[in-house]
Amino acid sequence: EAGVTQSPTHLIKTRGQQATLRCSPISGHTSVYWYQQALGLGLQFLLWYDEGEERNRGNFPPRFSGRQFPNYSSELNVNALELEDSALYLCASRNPGNTGELFFGEGSRLTVL
Amino acid sequence: AQSVTQPDIHITVSEGASLELRCNYSYGATPYLFWYVQSPGQGLQLLLKYFSGDTLVQGIKGFEAEFKRSQSSFNLRKPSVHWSDAAEYFCAGNFGNEKLTFGTGTRLTIIP
Repeated sequence: EAGVTQSPTHLIKTRGQQATLRCSPISGHTSVYWYQQALGLGLQFLLWYDEGEERNRGNFPPRFSGRQFPNYSSELNVNALELEDSALYLCASRNPGNTGELFFGEGSRLTVL
Repeated sequence: AQSVTQPDIHITVSEGASLELRCNYSYGATPYLFWYVQSPGQGLQLLLKYFSGDTLVQGIKGFEAEFKRSQSSFNLRKPSVHWSDAAEYFCAGNFGNEKLTFGTGTRLTIIP
């Protein structure tokens, strides 16, 4: 069974540009979560999507947005990139019947120059 | 506020020695609790989880954790560490709001 897959693995952008990160959940999982892991800041919850809808959002500005597609894959968009957006962005999926266990992808490393 | 605390930022252990990583939570009830491990540049892998019942849970790679309600703790243990256990370890809790809240992590270094 394929795990959570994320693309791209690495992405380099300059300040002010936009970045798009993609995630495919485990087959049968309908919930997708996004976390930001910046150096020294641990894992910060960004967004949660379930059944195509945004269900919850962390304490991030509106330039962080995303969506979930009918096949439950998801993309995270970061507009007007700032240097501090440099981080590892982790996607995770959860079986809706599960009590909260998340399965993580390998992450997308975003570097903003 | 609901939170997870890992008091130790960095721990160094000799290969073959025992290990205990600390985790405390703040919540008015019993959360679902998890331990994850992250190798450099990798995603997170679930080691073990606690939902209810037996307070000593067994996980993968020889790890176990004990839930102690009186201490609001969920410490991770391993009787004998291997060099391959060097990684970052995260404790996390689900406080009923459908997302995981993570501690800041403990970096484990193994010395020969």
